[in-house]
Amino acid sequence: AQSVSQHNHHVILSEAASLELGCNYSYGGTVNLFWYVQYPGQHLQLLLKYFSGDPLVKGIKGFEAEFIKSKFSFNLRKPSVQWSDTAEYFCAVFKGAGTASKLTFGTGTRLQVTL
Amino acid sequence: KAGVTQTPRYLIKTRGQQVTLSCSPISGHRSVSWYQQTPGQGLQFLFEYFSETQRNKGNFPGRFSGRQFSNSRSEMNVSTLELGDSALYLCASSLGATSGRYREQFFGPGTRLTVL
Repeated sequence: AQSVSQHNHHVILSEAASLELGCNYSYGGTVNLFWYVQYPGQHLQLLLKYFSGDPLVKGIKGFEAEFIKSKFSFNLRKPSVQWSDTAEYFCAVFKGAGTASKLTFGTGTRLQVTL
Repeated sequence: KAGVTQTPRYLIKTRGQQVTLSCSPISGHRSVSWYQQTPGQGLQFLFEYFSETQRNKGNFPGRFSGRQFSNSRSEMNVSTLELGDSALYLCASSLGATSGRYREQFFGPGTRLTVL
């Protein structure tokens, strides 16, 4: 079965610290990869996406992610976090075709940024 | 362009009752997917509708059902509610083509269901 793993469940960082959140998926072949963010009290928003091409993807608010096919990973990074980055982050993988396709989410990582 | 809307935003029900949640997709989007979000399980896929047909289904009991109308609006129904059904139910819409790029999903604010 498809699975997406986010090993960091809760991360606490000080402002200006660097961030890296891990995401691994369990199946090979062609995948489409996404990171979504859910700010407190707000709906899920797309942070960045990877379909093909350059494995280093840049998203909104200074976030980037790197797709490493050999490691089945799509880690999210930000060089310097801000208090406003406090949110829950979800990695998601789209796999399959036609009626067998679906988007599978990881369990999420709660990021808390302290001043 | 207006985003995905969900009604109601909050709902309180008691065990055994049934509930219907509604989702209006972004104009032009033909696919609607439903997810259940809980603190312990994260986002779990319920089902996807495309052109009024269920295209894919997650691992939920038959008490969870849905439908889609000709204007792409979708409803989700949960019968015989259980305490464990308390969750945030999210709806997402996409253009709906089978290519991955066009399956990019846009989420609504969710309906918070509490079962007492």
